[in-house]
Amino acid sequence: DAGITQSPRHKVTETGTPVTLRCHQTENHRYMYWYRQDPGHGLRLIHYSYGVKDTDKGEVSDGYSVSRSKTEDFLLTLESATSSQTSVYFCAIRTGYDGANVLTFGAGSRLTVL
Amino acid sequence: KQEVTQIPAALSVPEGENLVLNCSFTDSAIYNLQWFRQDPGKGLTSLLLIQSSQREQTSGRLNASLDKSSGRSTLYIAASQPGDSATYLCAEGGSYIPTFGRGTSLIVHP
Repeated sequence: DAGITQSPRHKVTETGTPVTLRCHQTENHRYMYWYRQDPGHGLRLIHYSYGVKDTDKGEVSDGYSVSRSKTEDFLLTLESATSSQTSVYFCAIRTGYDGANVLTFGAGSRLTVL
Repeated sequence: KQEVTQIPAALSVPEGENLVLNCSFTDSAIYNLQWFRQDPGKGLTSLLLIQSSQREQTSGRLNASLDKSSGRSTLYIAASQPGDSATYLCAEGGSYIPTFGRGTSLIVHP
């Protein structure tokens, strides 16, 4: 099984502070994704990466930035957290061979912005 | 743009029933269709993946089918149990960006 870990798992912070969430994979999968999940909205893509230093925006990227300096790590940064960014954040990786797009998710990071 | 819809949003059934969860997609040119389970407060666990060239996949009491011509996938759960209570999501794989449905929340009561 693809190993994927997220940290921190829980964080409470104040409005205006910067926050960084980390997604780590133990293999060398090319595609990594950050989603947020909110009641009534389902899963929404924030950013994704298709290689080291190769990233692109998803549908809800405003207020978020990402970095991928190593294959195994994909960081999500909230430069100045707002209450609307209170959510559960999931990282996912694409595993499997070409022709299949098998998604494997991390356990999630619950962020509360006060 | 691919759109994925899951109806109903919520379902409550008595234990032992066989049930079908639905997933509809608008673009039949899919890569694959993946079903997930999500327990409250937890992450998404992959249940079944159907490749575009396949018609169905089975795992234990679960069977997922794919009909591209009608834009539909179904997840069949046989002899449902209270432990099957969870939210079930489907996702169309896309070339590199998946599209998710909003899920069906299932409650199986004893």
